Amino acid sequence: QKEVEQNSGPLSVPEGAIASLNCTYSDRGSQSFFWYRQYSGKSPELIMSIYSNGDKEDGRFTAQLNKASQYVSLLIRDSQPSDSATYLCAVRNAGGTSYGKLTFGQGTILTVHP
Amino acid sequence: GAVVSQHPSWVICKSGTSVKIECRSLDFQATTMFWYRQFPKQSLMLMATSNEGSKATYEQGVEKDKFLINHASLTLSTLTVTSAHPEDSSFYICSARVPTSGNYNEQFFGPGTRLTVL
Repeated sequence: QKEVEQNSGPLSVPEGAIASLNCTYSDRGSQSFFWYRQYSGKSPELIMSIYSNGDKEDGRFTAQLNKASQYVSLLIRDSQPSDSATYLCAVRNAGGTSYGKLTFGQGTILTVHP
Repeated sequence: GAVVSQHPSWVICKSGTSVKIECRSLDFQATTMFWYRQFPKQSLMLMATSNEGSKATYEQGVEKDKFLINHASLTLSTLTVTSAHPEDSSFYICSARVPTSGNYNEQFFGPGTRLTVL
């Protein structure tokens, strides 16, 4: 069983729609959750981080965390073609010798078409 | 966000040679940096955790004698790929952890180094 799982997609949405990206994780003790955006040929860029249950909003992005269900999601409102990228879900290990390490999902490819 | 730089951005070398990649945190001090490798159409694979002033911690299956890591200062970590071979061709990316209290510890990535071994 993969530690962090994402639907690899591709997820295709029309411009202006809401894109919903989902992620589940296996380590119940995980405390920190991150969403990165990676354009083709580029390195990942941090777009959202969340640590508490509930929603966290930043501009057009909303991260949602449900620790009981071990589920984290990212909503992108008013999607733009420039949002087309691979979105990586990352979970920070709870502690011990692996403190600070991030475990990444395989990424979801998002395509926003005009 | 915090700024992390990498140098070089791309390198082409002959098989058997060694290549050094630098990772710098430009506007913060990073006690911990991470080195990743990414093959085409695959996710990031953590190679090792670089700790300032101590030995790096390598992930299972990563040869520490082949991928030498040095973290001599709070703003610089280097990865040296020794005796590179074509199968080492990949996108190498470093990240630095911003030291804050609580659960934050966000990681910011450098722009990556694309290595091609002929």
